[in-house]
Amino acid sequence: DQQVKQNSPSLSVQEGRISILNCDYTNSMFDYFLWYKKYPAEGPTFLISISSIKDKNEDGRFTVFLNKSAKHLSLHIVPSQPGDSAVYFCAASYNFNKFYFGSGTKLNVKP
Amino acid sequence: EAQVTQNPRYLITVTGKKLTVTCSQNMNHEYMSWYRQDPGLGLRQIYYSMNVEVTDKGDVPEGYKVSRKEKRNFPLILESPSPNQTSLYFCASSSSSGNTIYFGEGSWLTVV
Repeated sequence: DQQVKQNSPSLSVQEGRISILNCDYTNSMFDYFLWYKKYPAEGPTFLISISSIKDKNEDGRFTVFLNKSAKHLSLHIVPSQPGDSAVYFCAASYNFNKFYFGSGTKLNVKP
Repeated sequence: EAQVTQNPRYLITVTGKKLTVTCSQNMNHEYMSWYRQDPGLGLRQIYYSMNVEVTDKGDVPEGYKVSRKEKRNFPLILESPSPNQTSLYFCASSSSSGNTIYFGEGSWLTVV
């Protein structure tokens, strides 16, 4: 049973608008969450993370929100750019021992 | 440059022919792991290693073996590959105190 779920396999957004990617998890023990970005023919690269003691972390155009009571996190990209088109994976861990990944959301930013 | 290097990047092999995918990291990380990526299933962990000589099964270990004799290397071994092991494989590493995982570029494996 998947402990981390990304229920939207794809998302299409106009350039300049906001992209919101969602992720749900089931294990309340998770205390660290990450987002990865993956281009075709490349390995996933780290984008942004958040600890369970926070509810928001911001890095430039990227903001991750964590709602622990709902076991939900989201990644906001503002403004979206065509170069943001990629597959985005969310991941969760506890004590950094093991990381659980979602199935990914393919973002397409249209010029 | 900090990196995780895996080889081969692309391989087509036949059922039952043993193969090894190598993985090496230059960041002195304690933690290394192998994932496979399949459509609709995301990244699933095959095996992981907390340090030298310490390995453990991930979510989908069947049909795979690993070893960790040196800190920098973590090879993935398919003793008798089958077509259902056709997938994209990623090696990854992280430090025990780190807060992110570094991935290799991936190895496309096709078993016919």
